[in-house]
Amino acid sequence: GAVVSQHPSRVICKSGTSVKIECRSLDFQATTMFWYRQFPKKSLMLMATSNEGSKATYEQGVEKDKFLINHASLTLSTLTVTSAHPEDSSFYICSATRTGTGEGIQYFGAGTRLSVL
Amino acid sequence: GENVEQHPSTLSVQEGDSAVIKCTYSDSASNYFPWYKQELGKRPQLIIDIRSNVGEKKDQRIAVTLNKTAKHFSLHITETQPEDSAVYFCAASTTGYKLSFGAGTTVTVRA
Repeated sequence: GAVVSQHPSRVICKSGTSVKIECRSLDFQATTMFWYRQFPKKSLMLMATSNEGSKATYEQGVEKDKFLINHASLTLSTLTVTSAHPEDSSFYICSATRTGTGEGIQYFGAGTRLSVL
Repeated sequence: GENVEQHPSTLSVQEGDSAVIKCTYSDSASNYFPWYKQELGKRPQLIIDIRSNVGEKKDQRIAVTLNKTAKHFSLHITETQPEDSAVYFCAASTTGYKLSFGAGTTVTVRA
């Protein structure tokens, strides 16, 4: 149990376009999901906390108008990188926590490698 | 906010030997400490976690110890195998909330 699916796994786009990444909890409900960015050989940097039915909470320095987060259901959160530029190229990973357990365990998706040309 | 420091950044061990990774945290309110293993290009996988009400937890070849007074926790891997080669991240949080990750340790097990 506790499977998190993330799509797409890899995307290449042109500069100026927008890209949407989906994060789904397949066998559990997730009131809270998290979005991370990871640079090569670096740690996971939290971008934002996504809460079902409310606005996301962004970490300091993360542009909320550039990285749009929508968490419209208990099993789906989406991250949209708007007007992508080469500096947005990175590995984006989501995670989800099981609603109602209080366990605090984060289950991770497989990540999305974004390349902006 | 929480600050987690992790050492060493790289660790090379002979197959069969033990590996130890250490982390310190700054927020005394943190009460949940997971360890994740990440292979190249893959998702982080939870390998073991510990909560602040216990001092040690073991799962086969993996163990974690926690010293709340000193605010540090450690991962111990015994009888290392080539498949243990990966990047390991420690993290800390208040249960149910966001994780603060350490910088990671690249472990290489030499055959």
